[in-house]
Amino acid sequence: DQQVKQNSPSLSVQEGRISILNCDYTNSMFDYFLWYKKYPAEGPTFLISISSIKDKNEDGRFTVFLNKSAKHLSLHIVPSQPGDSAVYFCAAYSGGSNYKLTFGKGTLLTVNP
Amino acid sequence: NAGVTQTPKFQVLKTGQSMTLQCAQDMNHEYMSWYRQDPGMGLRLIHYSVGAGITDQGEVPNGYNVSRSTTEDFPLRLLSAAPSQTSVYFCASTIGTGEGNTIYFGEGSWLTVV
Repeated sequence: DQQVKQNSPSLSVQEGRISILNCDYTNSMFDYFLWYKKYPAEGPTFLISISSIKDKNEDGRFTVFLNKSAKHLSLHIVPSQPGDSAVYFCAAYSGGSNYKLTFGKGTLLTVNP
Repeated sequence: NAGVTQTPKFQVLKTGQSMTLQCAQDMNHEYMSWYRQDPGMGLRLIHYSVGAGITDQGEVPNGYNVSRSTTEDFPLRLLSAAPSQTSVYFCASTIGTGEGNTIYFGEGSWLTVV
C-alpha cells in the first residue's frame, strides 16, 4: 500500500520551459512534505519542503504547491536547466518524525538543451 | 551529503555471509536512519534511532540489525545475506525533529548478494 505516489516515472522538457512534477499521498496524517533530487551514484539532496499549513513555498526557481483537499502536491521548476536532470523524490512525514520519511518511487526528469 | 559517511561504497557478498555497513556523522545529530532503494522504488525505511542506545524498526527491518552505541555511529548489520538484500543502502541523519531541520543523506552503499 503506497502512501506516497509519483505516477509519472519520467518527464522530458526543453531547457527554459517549466517542469512540473506531481505527487499524491493517501495518509492524511502526513503534515510535512519534501522534495529530494538524486543524481546517479549519489545520495538524495534536499530541494524544498512545505508544511501542511501552507499551500505554497518558493525558493528561487523551485516552487512547491500543496492541495490538501486533493492530497496532491507538485514541484514546479522554472526555468528548467540541463543540470536539473535527475530523479526527483517526493517524501512525507507526520508528527515531527523527520527521521521516518515515506518516499514516492521517483520521477526521472530530463531537461534537453 | 556533507557530514554523513558510509562505508563501503560497493560490496559483493555470497548468500549466507554476514557484513556490516558503516555509517558515521560528525554533526552531533541525534536522529539517524537507514533506507534501502531498489530499482523502480523509492527509499524504504529499514531501522532508525532517536539517540544513543535507542533504535526501532522501520518498514522493512527483516534480515537487518542495528545498534547505536555512540551518537556518531549507526551500523547496519546483515547477519545472513540473501539475494533479496541486493540493494542500495542510504544512511541519513538530522539534528532534530520537525520543520526546518535538514535531513542529510550519505552517498550510498551498493550491495550485491550472489
